[in-house]
Amino acid sequence: DQQVKQNSPSLSVQEGRISILNCDYTNSMFDYFLWYKKYPAEGPTFLISISSIKDKNEDGRFTVFLNKSAKHLSLHIVPSQPGDSAVYFCAAGSNFGNEKLTFGTGTRLTIIP
Amino acid sequence: KAGVTQTPRYLIKTRGQQVTLSCSPISGHRSVSWYQQTPGQGLQFLFEYFSETQRNKGNFPGRFSGRQFSNSRSEMNVSTLELGDSALYLCASSSIPGQGREQYFGPGTRLTVT
Repeated sequence: DQQVKQNSPSLSVQEGRISILNCDYTNSMFDYFLWYKKYPAEGPTFLISISSIKDKNEDGRFTVFLNKSAKHLSLHIVPSQPGDSAVYFCAAGSNFGNEKLTFGTGTRLTIIP
Repeated sequence: KAGVTQTPRYLIKTRGQQVTLSCSPISGHRSVSWYQQTPGQGLQFLFEYFSETQRNKGNFPGRFSGRQFSNSRSEMNVSTLELGDSALYLCASSSIPGQGREQYFGPGTRLTVT
């Protein structure tokens, strides 16, 4: 049972344009969400997070939007740069009960120069 | 500050064998989590150790086990290897247990089972 889903395995975006990566979840107990970025041969690195009490969090070129009623979050990267080419993982966690993170399957983002 | 290190980086084993992977967390971090990454499955949580105690466990069979030493270094062991165990095994450390945003990942150990 995949509680966190990233339905697009890959995405290609022109340099300078907006990249939008999507993530859906099924467990309403999740109360914080994170995005990780992973380059080949490296471990994932934390990018940005959002608490369920917010609907938007911004950090430079990266913005995460949370729609709790739709159980959907998205990561916007503006403007997209070649160095953004990587695999992006969405993850969700709960501060109550089991605190382990649940990850999505990842989306490979390719920025076209 | 040195990052999370994992050894070995690559490993090839035969079905039925066992394997031990090692993880050294960032200095001062006492929490270590292990994940398995396979194509199409994303990162699957294996277990978390904090102060030498297993604090949390994912849905993996008993063939997967781990431990943590007093210096916070951790090992995970997989016995009776199966072809499906071929994966990238990632270790992450944090100073606070259970706080995903504080986790720092190592580069992983690529295990191939033939």
